[in-house]
This record gives sequence, C-alpha cells and structure tokens, in this order.
Amino acid sequence: AAGVIQSPRHLIKEKRETATLKCYPIPRHDTVYWYQQGPGQDPQFLISFYEKMQSDKGSIPDRFSAQQFSDYHSELNMSSLELGDSALYFCASSLPIAGGPGTDTQYFGPGTRLTVL
Amino acid sequence: DQQVKQNSPSLSVQEGRISILNCDYTNSMFDYFLWYKKYPAEGPTFLISISSIKDKNEDGRFTVFLNKSAKHLSLHIVPSQPGDSAVYFCAATVRDSNYQLIWGAGTKLIIKP
Repeated sequence: AAGVIQSPRHLIKEKRETATLKCYPIPRHDTVYWYQQGPGQDPQFLISFYEKMQSDKGSIPDRFSAQQFSDYHSELNMSSLELGDSALYFCASSLPIAGGPGTDTQYFGPGTRLTVL
Repeated sequence: DQQVKQNSPSLSVQEGRISILNCDYTNSMFDYFLWYKKYPAEGPTFLISISSIKDKNEDGRFTVFLNKSAKHLSLHIVPSQPGDSAVYFCAATVRDSNYQLIWGAGTKLIIKP
C-alpha cells in the first residue's frame, strides 16, 4: 500500500540558509501534519492543513512557513536556519471523516533529517 | 507541562511473554488515543487506537486498555516477539477541536531472546 512520501530524506544546510521539505500524503488523504522531533525528544506538532487551508498551528517558528497544494502535497519552508533547527521532520496524513472509527489516525512518512552546521 | 506521560523510558521483556506499556494523561478533553511504534531513523508506524467511549480495543497481538477515571491507558503485546523491539509512543488528541497529536516521551521496548 502507498505510504506517505517525504523528500529529501537527509538534508545538510549551513546556518542562515533556507530549506524546503516536501511531503506527499497517502492518496485520498486530504489532511497533512508536520512534526519536529529533536534529539531525544518526543515529536512536536508544527502545523496542519486540511483541503489546502491551514487548519491548526502549533509551535512553528515565524521563520518557517508551509502550504498545501492543489494535489494535496505540502511543503515546509524554513528560512534563516539555526543550529537548533537540526531535527527529524515528520509529515503525516489522514483522511478525517466525522464519526468513523480510526479515521483520525495519522500515518507518518519516514521523515527528513535536517542537519544545520 | 507534559499532558501525555510515559514514565518508563525503557522496558525489557522475555520473548514469548507479555509486554505492557503504560501511558498517563492529564487533559480530560482527550477523546482519542493512539499507539505508534518507531524504529530509529524511521517515521512512527501506527499500531492501534482507542476512542474514549471504549475501554478496550484488540488487534491481533496488540490490545489497548483505557481507564478514563484514572486517565490511564496501556498497550499489551502478547506474545512478545524480537521484531517488537522499538520505541513505543502514546499519543492523544481532541477530535472536535483539531487533530493535533500530543505525544508521550516514548518507551523503548527490548525483547530478549
């Protein structure tokens, strides 16, 4: 079965550079979530999109922005990178149908490991 | 303040025995709970979930129990297999407001042969 695809899998950037992470949800999934997991930490929610509109915002820095496109893929844009941005960035997708069991389940991609030097 | 807590950083279990992973939460608004399994350098893999209207959900070797009054849930794996060795995350969400997952810190499960 098709899963969530993230690219690139690994990314190395210098401080103050920009980075763009891409996420391709499972087919028919219309909701995308971004999470950041620092070393030894649990994943932290950044932002989510439903039907191409931002649906919720978490601890996403102002230096980051994201959008969901007409084909439902999403991109996380990160500018003025800092050393502390080094982390695993996960994208998840879901197909929220009200009232259905298990329909809130988020399925995760393999993650993008971002290293800022 | 950690809303979802997994107080055991690691757990070691003999192959073939039962593994019990615990999770506590503080936010009474949570109405949907999920367990994910994660290998190093991979994304979390969904295992099993439970709605707050239920107290048990079973899927093969995995069973999740929810005790709402105690704000506690547990994941039982029986029998435990070597491939079950991974980090297990408990997550919770409030369905009516948003679908943001709030995560526990994870428990590393080690299955001994």
